Amino acid sequence: QSALTQPRSVSGSPGQSVTISCTGTSSDVGGYNYVSWYQQHPDKAPKLMIYDVSKWPSGVPDRFSGSKSGNTAFLTISGLQAEDEADYYCCSYAGSYSSYVFGTGTKVSVL
Amino acid sequence: EVQLVESGGGLVQPGGSLRLSCAASGFTFSSYWMSWVRQAPGKGLEWVANIKQDGSEKYYVDSVKGRFTISRDNAKNSLYLQMNSLRAEDTAVFYCARLLAARPLPDYWGQGTLVTVSS
Repeated sequence: QSALTQPRSVSGSPGQSVTISCTGTSSDVGGYNYVSWYQQHPDKAPKLMIYDVSKWPSGVPDRFSGSKSGNTAFLTISGLQAEDEADYYCCSYAGSYSSYVFGTGTKVSVL
Repeated sequence: EVQLVESGGGLVQPGGSLRLSCAASGFTFSSYWMSWVRQAPGKGLEWVANIKQDGSEKYYVDSVKGRFTISRDNAKNSLYLQMNSLRAEDTAVFYCARLLAARPLPDYWGQGTLVTVSS
């Protein structure tokens, strides 16, 4: 499977909103509502932020929200905070053998 | 609290072998699919392998088929990855991850173990 396409970087000032896109195909993002998003700080393990396109795991603030349109999924971070500065990866079920595919990753910078 | 702790990484020569382990705690290990995911230095995440709750189904990314073997021991709450014929391009941090219940997506991750393949 090919990696899902994300912008290399996005940035915003504290309090602003940023949106990260994640573009796949009808065989992954567009075909299933199994899309998740992960936050990764430097030298740390990824942390689940959103699953099933728009659901929150326990403990994740609702400043993070997910959506999907066609073959593209989106992660929006509202009320940007300094601690949100990290790499973000989308992930989608790839339609076979219980495998999944990740996005290329987006670095979020808080100005 | 869910915990996943990997071990077994290190420096190995091209063509060599290494066995990674992942010790799980804080949940009923035998009830979950498990995965290995890797991340090359400065690069993105890549799914490597999945294993079903009872070990009866195993799946691999094409680049490791025939070289890597995923396994588990539910009595020991442990996940393993046997890596043979290692190549320089296998150099990465390897993460153990639990898959969400009834969903083919990871939720909890370990801290990772670094595998370096170099002469």
